[in-house]
Amino acid sequence: QKEVEQNSGPLSVPEGAIASLNCTYSDRGSQSFFWYRQYSGKSPELIMSIYSNGDKEDGRFTAQLNKASQYVSLLIRDSQPSDSATYLCAAGNTGGFKTIFGAGTRLFVKA
Amino acid sequence: ETGVTQSPTHLIKTRGQQVTLRCSSQSGHNTVSWYQQALGQGPQFIFQYYREEENGRGNFPPRFSGLQFPNYSSELNVNALELDDSALYLCASSLAGLAGVPPYNEQFFGPGTRLTVL
Repeated sequence: QKEVEQNSGPLSVPEGAIASLNCTYSDRGSQSFFWYRQYSGKSPELIMSIYSNGDKEDGRFTAQLNKASQYVSLLIRDSQPSDSATYLCAAGNTGGFKTIFGAGTRLFVKA
Repeated sequence: ETGVTQSPTHLIKTRGQQVTLRCSSQSGHNTVSWYQQALGQGPQFIFQYYREEENGRGNFPPRFSGLQFPNYSSELNVNALELDDSALYLCASSLAGLAGVPPYNEQFFGPGTRLTVL
């Protein structure tokens, strides 16, 4: 079983729609969760971090965490073509010295 | 504020050679992690350095080694290169804070070094 699992996609949404990206993790001891955006040929860019159950909003992005279900999600509202990228979900272990990444979900936003 | 930098940008080596990759941390950060990212995969954790000591390691053989210097810059060394070592090598810096107090290990990545082993 992979430690952090994501649907590889591609996920295709029209411009202006809500994109929903999902992630599950296997280590119940994980206490920090991150979403990174990675454009083709570039390095990952941190867009959201979440540590407590519930929702966290930042602009057009909302991260959701449910530790009981070991589930993390990212919602992107009013999706733009510039949001087209691979989105990486990551979970950090207790102590913060090891972060495990999923394989990423490719998102395409059609103009 | 200075971001994370890595050198070189690209590198071509032959099987069996050794390589050293370099990373400068973001200003104010004291922790460096190294990752290997193969095409189409997520970054794979190699190891993390904090206070010049290895603080955690992923499933990589001992021929992958590292150093962290007093200015928090870091090196990744790979000996006896194999074809499968061809990948993007990413360095990420973070600030280790108080235990139990967020943010926990928010990492910021450098641009990466593309290593090709022939």
